[in-house]
Amino acid sequence: KAGVTQTPRYLIKTRGQQVTLSCSPISGHRSVSWYQQTPGQGLQFLFEYFSETQRNKGNFPGRFSGRQFSNSRSEMNVSTLELGDSALYLCASSQQSGSLETQYFGPGTRLLVL
Amino acid sequence: ILNVEQSPQSLHVQEGDSTNFTCSFPSSNFYALHWYRWETAKSPEALFVMTLNGDEKKKGRISATLNTKEGYSYLYIKGSQPEDSATYLCAFRKEKLVFGTGTRLLVSP
Repeated sequence: KAGVTQTPRYLIKTRGQQVTLSCSPISGHRSVSWYQQTPGQGLQFLFEYFSETQRNKGNFPGRFSGRQFSNSRSEMNVSTLELGDSALYLCASSQQSGSLETQYFGPGTRLLVL
Repeated sequence: ILNVEQSPQSLHVQEGDSTNFTCSFPSSNFYALHWYRWETAKSPEALFVMTLNGDEKKKGRISATLNTKEGYSYLYIKGSQPEDSATYLCAFRKEKLVFGTGTRLLVSP
């Protein structure tokens, strides 16, 4: 089975722009979660989608949004980019949504905001 | 605010050494604890999902134990090899996964 894929892998944007990141989960997985990692910080949870519905949301401003499509692919959007949004964005998929579910991570999108 | 602490922050050992690190988490309302290994330039890879107090899981030379009453988990690596060099993350699962900042392990040949 193909793993989790994320596009693009690298992105450079300027402050004020917006960006859309894409995540394709493992075939058959219905849950997709997004995380942000910045230097010195652990992985910070952004949100989780399951069957096109947002299940949980982390403590991020409303500039961060996401959605999931009927084929389980997910997109994350960040509007009005700030310098502090420079980070590695990881998505992870699992078959179901729940505490026992192993999450399988993609390679990440590295975003640099200038 | 859920706090997951990992110690030490980093560790440098010689090939063949055995090592262990700690993950501390809230002991109330426990659901599950996950361990991941994250090698440089790769994706985090799941090692274990632990749910029961006293749980002990093993995968090759890596094992983990869980104490939900006191809120800690240990990860052990027996006979460390250079390929074990990675950041080891634990994550406490409630409605969402809350990750610690990891223990960065470097194993020198």
